Amino acid sequence: AQSVTQPDIHITVSEGASLELRCNYSYGATPYLFWYVQSPGQGLQLLLKYFSGDTLVQGIKGFEAEFKRSQSSFNLRKPSVHWSDAAEYFCALHSGGYQKVTFGIGTKLQVIP
Amino acid sequence: NAGVTQTPKFQVLKTGQSMTLQCAQDMNHEYMSWYRQDPGMGLRLIHYSVGAGITDQGEVPNGYNVSRSTTEDFPLRLLSAAPSQTSVYFCASSYKGQGPNEQYFGPGTRLTVT
Repeated sequence: AQSVTQPDIHITVSEGASLELRCNYSYGATPYLFWYVQSPGQGLQLLLKYFSGDTLVQGIKGFEAEFKRSQSSFNLRKPSVHWSDAAEYFCALHSGGYQKVTFGIGTKLQVIP
Repeated sequence: NAGVTQTPKFQVLKTGQSMTLQCAQDMNHEYMSWYRQDPGMGLRLIHYSVGAGITDQGEVPNGYNVSRSTTEDFPLRLLSAAPSQTSVYFCASSYKGQGPNEQYFGPGTRLTVT
């Protein structure tokens, strides 16, 4: 069975500091991995995705993520956080079949001045 | 483009009542899905559709019905609401292509069952 683990439920960072949100997955084949962001009261918006190729993926809003097969991880990073980045972030794994979509429980990011 | 729209935004039901959550998309996407979001559990797939007339169950289908008579609309029906169905419901759509594609989400419906 496939699974996605986001070990940090809540993270607080200072504005301007760097950010790394962790995502680990369990899946027996090559995964398709996504990061979504959810602002308060809103639906989810895609930040970036990894299918194959370059393991460092660039997304919107200055985010990037690195796929590491040996560690079964797909961590999301941003070098300098802005107050507007405060939101909840979800890692998701698609196993190829449309119905096989597994979301992590989410990491809520708080940004302090 | 309106994208994915959902109505209502908020709803309170009494146990045993029925209702339909509406979802529509104007992007001509073949795929549409319903998720529920609960604290500490992420998003869980309820039902999905790969095209008009075709639907299938996701991870947590019990207590919900769907139909897809047009490409644009994908309503979710609660047959007899229960407190366990208190949740935030999201509809999503994506186009059919090679491999998984980005899902576009609606703004959600917050449902409370008393």
